[in-house]
Amino acid sequence: QSVLTQPPSVSGAPGQRVTISCTGSSSNIGANYLVHWYQQLPGTAPKLLIYGNTNRPSGVPDRFSGSKSGTSASLAITGLQAEDEADYYCQSYDSSLSGVVFGGGTKLTVL
Amino acid sequence: EVQLLESGGGLVQPGGSLRLSCAASAFTFSSYAMSWVRQAPGKGLQWVSAISGSGGNTYYADSVKGRFTISRDNSKNTLYLQMNSLRAEDSAVYYCAKVVSTNYNFDAFDIWGQGAMVTVSS
Repeated sequence: QSVLTQPPSVSGAPGQRVTISCTGSSSNIGANYLVHWYQQLPGTAPKLLIYGNTNRPSGVPDRFSGSKSGTSASLAITGLQAEDEADYYCQSYDSSLSGVVFGGGTKLTVL
Repeated sequence: EVQLLESGGGLVQPGGSLRLSCAASAFTFSSYAMSWVRQAPGKGLQWVSAISGSGGNTYYADSVKGRFTISRDNSKNTLYLQMNSLRAEDSAVYYCAKVVSTNYNFDAFDIWGQGAMVTVSS
């Protein structure tokens, strides 16, 4: 069981908007530790999508956005494209574990 | 181009040892904390260990504490992970990763290596 909880899968048609949730607790997201998001295509290393809750690295399309509220965070993807089909992971820090924690991952399927 | 390149993976028997290396290039290696993150086949990401830029502070996941040792040689721009008393459940792709900023050991990871496969089996 992951410390951060994500839905195992989400899906959407091309052009649609999807959101992926990441639920934590008072020792991680709720304690104001930053949330980051990664995209992982099959057979490749993860790629940073969102850092510091809402910031996009250069080169990441503005179709990807992050938000945070209370003990949860969300990744939104608008204008869904076939190339967005991948696994997505959230990450934060947990003070009880004194280390980095990841969500279990969400598989995005573009219908 | 900023790059991380892992090496040292392979097949090892339960109870055995292995040392992974991660060669960094095109950035000021000593300024950034580094981490190891692993991914078992078909599973999610799991943080393993982190080390500060100077090497003076190290951190471990409970699952590897006492068995794994992270270190770095800033003169060689190289990160290491010494893995002892290996178990079947340690089988995974091991990634080294660089943090975004110079002032937070547990920041986001903006650069990842290609991964090194470690298989623990008899």
